[in-house]
Amino acid sequence: ETGVTQSPTHLIKTRGQQVTLRCSSQSGHNTVSWYQQALGQGPQFIFQYYREEENGRGNFPPRFSGLQFPNYSSELNVNALELDDSALYLCASSFGTGRSDTQYFGPGTRLTVL
Amino acid sequence: GQNIDQPTEMTATEGAIVQINCTYQTSGFNGLFWYQQHAGEAPTFLSYNVLDGLEEKGRFSSFLSRSKGYSYLLLKELQMKDSASYLCAVRDKEESNYQLIWGAGTKLIIKP
Repeated sequence: ETGVTQSPTHLIKTRGQQVTLRCSSQSGHNTVSWYQQALGQGPQFIFQYYREEENGRGNFPPRFSGLQFPNYSSELNVNALELDDSALYLCASSFGTGRSDTQYFGPGTRLTVL
Repeated sequence: GQNIDQPTEMTATEGAIVQINCTYQTSGFNGLFWYQQHAGEAPTFLSYNVLDGLEEKGRFSSFLSRSKGYSYLLLKELQMKDSASYLCAVRDKEESNYQLIWGAGTKLIIKP
């Protein structure tokens, strides 16, 4: 157990809808990274939040957005859902953004878009 | 560009040893991680290498050669519970704020 929690566990949406996924970081961690993982693939970096500010973004369109709150929990919002958004969404927390900081993952949210 | 290669799948026998290789091409290498991921679950941290050489942690060891762009994860005394995907990830200073670049993972199947 990493102490990182995510909700919901599973979610089914239809094309065009919007979704919000939530993540609570491990105690003492101030950085949250979000990843999308398609079946049989490695995680793809979406963005990272450090002390409530976006601290890096991967190659995802603007309809993927996020927030980090003062308690360092975080949300991932996806607008105008597309079929290809179906994936496992993982959040990972770490202490700081240093080069050796290890990321610890939550259990993930399985999103299915119909 | 950045690229990480791992074998797609490997099979090994319970009690044996297996080596999972990872090769990478990145413009600003700054550390390599190995994670284990059981089906339908989140990745769990196994090891971190930033300098050349071998890091040993119980049954698992990880090796890095920066000049060759190569790492391997060595699993000894294999157990059935080691059946999982093993992900290699490289931290790249050229990537948005030292973000991780991930391989697709190696699915390891352990047979009795």
